[in-house]
Amino acid sequence: KNEVEQSPQNLTAQEGEFITINCSYSVGISALHWLQQHPGGGIVSLFMLSSGKKKHGRLIATINIQEKHSSLHITASHPSDSAVYICAAVKAAGNKLTFGGGTRVLVKP
Amino acid sequence: NAGVTQTPKFQVLKTGQSMTLQCAQDMNHEYMSWYRQDPGMGLRLIHYSVGAGITDQGEVPNGYNVSRSTTEDFPLRLLSAAPSQTSVYFCASRPWSLTDLYSPLHFGNGTRLTVT
Repeated sequence: KNEVEQSPQNLTAQEGEFITINCSYSVGISALHWLQQHPGGGIVSLFMLSSGKKKHGRLIATINIQEKHSSLHITASHPSDSAVYICAAVKAAGNKLTFGGGTRVLVKP
Repeated sequence: NAGVTQTPKFQVLKTGQSMTLQCAQDMNHEYMSWYRQDPGMGLRLIHYSVGAGITDQGEVPNGYNVSRSTTEDFPLRLLSAAPSQTSVYFCASRPWSLTDLYSPLHFGNGTRLTVT
């Protein structure tokens, strides 16, 4: 079993729909990253959080350290949100990142 | 600022050849790291550094060497390339200090390496 699991692996939504991507982990962590990988391959950091909730535009990330779970929400989804979303856990015991397998999101107009 | 610059963008090697993937950042970030991305495996950490002269192994370090002689540069060396090292490689950096624990990672654009 991977230390960081994401679900779903693939998601198709209609423009305007609310999207939720889940990330669960089995190791102790100090923080968690959410990343976006564009169809062209470039990777952009969306959030890094250790507790609570962060919001940027239509994106919201939440984390519950005790329950070992984080979610990324996209409100009012748009075709430009089509990308692979990746969560990455920062292990509490060091500086190493462990990645989830990614969620491929396709938003249809 | 250029951010994180990786070179080359594409490279084809024959088995046994050596090469260095370059990574440079102009943001004065202490933390730099290398990842490989393979279909079905996701991103995996190869090596990382928290400052000049300090490096450590990640999840998949075998076959790769790194050094950090300056804050700006963190090259990744393949001493004897193998087909199993065919992958897309990403370099990333971020600040690393007690006052900046939760800064985001900045990624380079990646290097697509094929070993035949």
